[in-house]
Amino acid sequence: DIQMTQSPSSVSASVGDRVTITCRASQGISSWLAWYQQKPGKAPKLLIYAASSLQSGVPSRFSGSGSGTDFTLTISSLQPEDFATYYCQQANSFPTFGQGTKVEIK
Amino acid sequence: QITLKESGPTLVKPTQTLTLTCTFSGFSLSTSGVGVGWIRQPPGKALEWLALIYWDDDKRYSPSLKSRLTITKDTSKNQVVLTMTNMDPVDTATYYCAHISQLVFDYWGQGTLVTVSS
Repeated sequence: DIQMTQSPSSVSASVGDRVTITCRASQGISSWLAWYQQKPGKAPKLLIYAASSLQSGVPSRFSGSGSGTDFTLTISSLQPEDFATYYCQQANSFPTFGQGTKVEIK
Repeated sequence: QITLKESGPTLVKPTQTLTLTCTFSGFSLSTSGVGVGWIRQPPGKALEWLALIYWDDDKRYSPSLKSRLTITKDTSKNQVVLTMTNMDPVDTATYYCAHISQLVFDYWGQGTLVTVSS
């Protein structure tokens, strides 16, 4: 199995802050990585695929980078609607998810 | 417009078999490259992929749950069915189905909460 490790597990931030979440794969996955946003009681929403490609309709303040084993999701200027939990998922072999990062209001 | 919706029991007893149905629209599971997957999420915990099926009937299962899972499709009804045997309280979770493209889940159903309790 390819294990996905996210850090931090939670982050407190204010509106307007730049937020960075990292995801590390236990082995190289090239650029086969996706990021999802999940709000309480809702299904996850795809934000980023292929490590850095923005899904249609997702605001440009979200960006992804990385390849191999180390990846980042950046929110350039946090908005009130961005407070949620974020998950990475490797798409190199059968899918596995990270444990999630909760972005909370500071 | 792609939509998916899960249906099935909300409560099952330990040792019983769970059967969930994903009914979708906006795409066909007879189209090359198309797939549907199942993912679950225990309350307050992370997402866990369970199984997926492709247009050509290729099926993949989570290694840790493979012995308990079966995924099938009915292309004429636009449905995918997941069965999970020998249910246990630790299987209590919200179960999601999702459209899959290159192993990325780009459209999700709303999810259905399944509680395992006697």
